[in-house]
Amino acid sequence: DIQMTQSPSSLSASVGDRVTITCRASQVIGNDLGWYQQKPGKAPKRLIYAASSLQSGVPSRFSGSGSGTEFTLTISSLQPEDFATYYCLQHNSYPWTFGQGTKVEIK
Amino acid sequence: EVQLVQSGAEVKKPGDSLKISCKGSGYTFTSYWIGWVRQMPGKGLEWMGIIYPGDSNTRYSPSFQGQVVISADKSIGTTYLQWSSLKASDSAMYYCASTYSSSGWDYWGQGTVVTVSS
Repeated sequence: DIQMTQSPSSLSASVGDRVTITCRASQVIGNDLGWYQQKPGKAPKRLIYAASSLQSGVPSRFSGSGSGTEFTLTISSLQPEDFATYYCLQHNSYPWTFGQGTKVEIK
Repeated sequence: EVQLVQSGAEVKKPGDSLKISCKGSGYTFTSYWIGWVRQMPGKGLEWMGIIYPGDSNTRYSPSFQGQVVISADKSIGTTYLQWSSLKASDSAMYYCASTYSSSGWDYWGQGTVVTVSS
C-alpha cells in the first residue's frame, strides 16, 4: 500500500495568513492526488485534483503543487470559512489512501 | 444534477447484519466507479473499497477485505455496503463517493451514521 504522510497534523493561523500543508507519498504517484476540505458534520469537498488543478467553484486562494512523492496545498490568504480539516488522497494505485489530516484552527 | 443519496442512520446490536445504500442519479450510473469511505468518531478518512457498477468489478482496501462487502444493483442505480456481523468498532460515519483523479468529477453522498451498541 502507498502511505500518505501529511504534515502538520494541526496548525493555528490567523485570518490573512498564508498556510501550507504537505503530503508525502511512500512511492511515486505521478500527479494522482487530490486535496479535500472537511467541516464538522459535512462530507469532504475536493479543492484540488490532479495535484494542481482547481476544482470548479473553489476560490483561487487555494492552490496545489507537486508531483512524484511531494505535494503541497497552499491557502494564500486564510479566510474565516477556511477553518476546517484538510486531507490528501492518492488515486494512483489501489488501495487508495488518505493522509492523516491537518486541522486548521483559529489563532 | 449529479447526486449520491445515502440511506438513513442505523442503530444496531453487535452481531447484527446491515446493508446501507447509496443511490446515484443525474448521470450514467454504470460508467463511474463509486467508493466507500469510513470516518470513525473524531478520526480521519479511511478508504474502504470501490466498485464499478457496469460490471461489479470491486477492489477492497486490505484493512476492510473480508470485513465488508461492496455490491451494486445497476437496475436501480444503487451501491451497497454490507456487514454480516457488526462489531462495536464498526460505529462510524460512512460516505459513498465517486471521484476521478484526472477530472473535476467528484461527488459524495451525505453520509450514513452507523451505531453499534449493546
